[in-house]
Amino acid sequence: KAGVTQTPRYLIKTRGQQVTLSCSPISGHRSVSWYQQTPGQGLQFLFEYFSETQRNKGNFPGRFSGRQFSNSRSEMNVSTLELGDSALYLCASIDTAGGTEAFFGQGTRLTVV
Amino acid sequence: QKEVEQNSGPLSVPEGAIASLNCTYSDRVSQSFFWYRQYSGKSPELIMSIYSNGDKEDGRFTAQLNKASQYVSLLIRDSQPSDSATYLCAAENSGYSTLTFGKGTMLLVSP
Repeated sequence: KAGVTQTPRYLIKTRGQQVTLSCSPISGHRSVSWYQQTPGQGLQFLFEYFSETQRNKGNFPGRFSGRQFSNSRSEMNVSTLELGDSALYLCASIDTAGGTEAFFGQGTRLTVV
Repeated sequence: QKEVEQNSGPLSVPEGAIASLNCTYSDRVSQSFFWYRQYSGKSPELIMSIYSNGDKEDGRFTAQLNKASQYVSLLIRDSQPSDSATYLCAAENSGYSTLTFGKGTMLLVSP
């Protein structure tokens, strides 16, 4: 069974630009969550999608958004990038029918310059 | 504000010793707890999950949960240099498929 796939692996963007990150969950997993990881704040929850609906949202500004498609693939978008958005963005998928264990993709390392 | 607290470390142990990692959580309603291992520059890897009070063993790893004390621990027996990593404790946000993470404990196992 293939794992969680995130693309791209690395991104360098300029302040003010926008970026879209993609996540394909494990086949059959319908819940996709996004987390931001920085050295100072650790792993922080951004949002969670299930069956194309955002079920939960963390405490991030509206510049951070996401969506989920009918095949459970998810994208997150960050608009008007700031230097502080530089982080490792992680996607996790959960087989909500069978348990609560979350499996992470390899992450997208975003650097804003 | 739900919180998971971990000692940041580093926790240094010699090869072959037992490493003991601890965390506490604030949300009494949490039912599921997880330990992730994260190597530098890599993503977190799930190594243990625990849902009931008591111990759960998997190979060299033992997770312990005490819901009354809101305390979770991970024991690593016969520690190896390859166990050197940051260990993240996570609590499921009850009713949601989301996790609150501690900031992690760095473990260093010296040969």
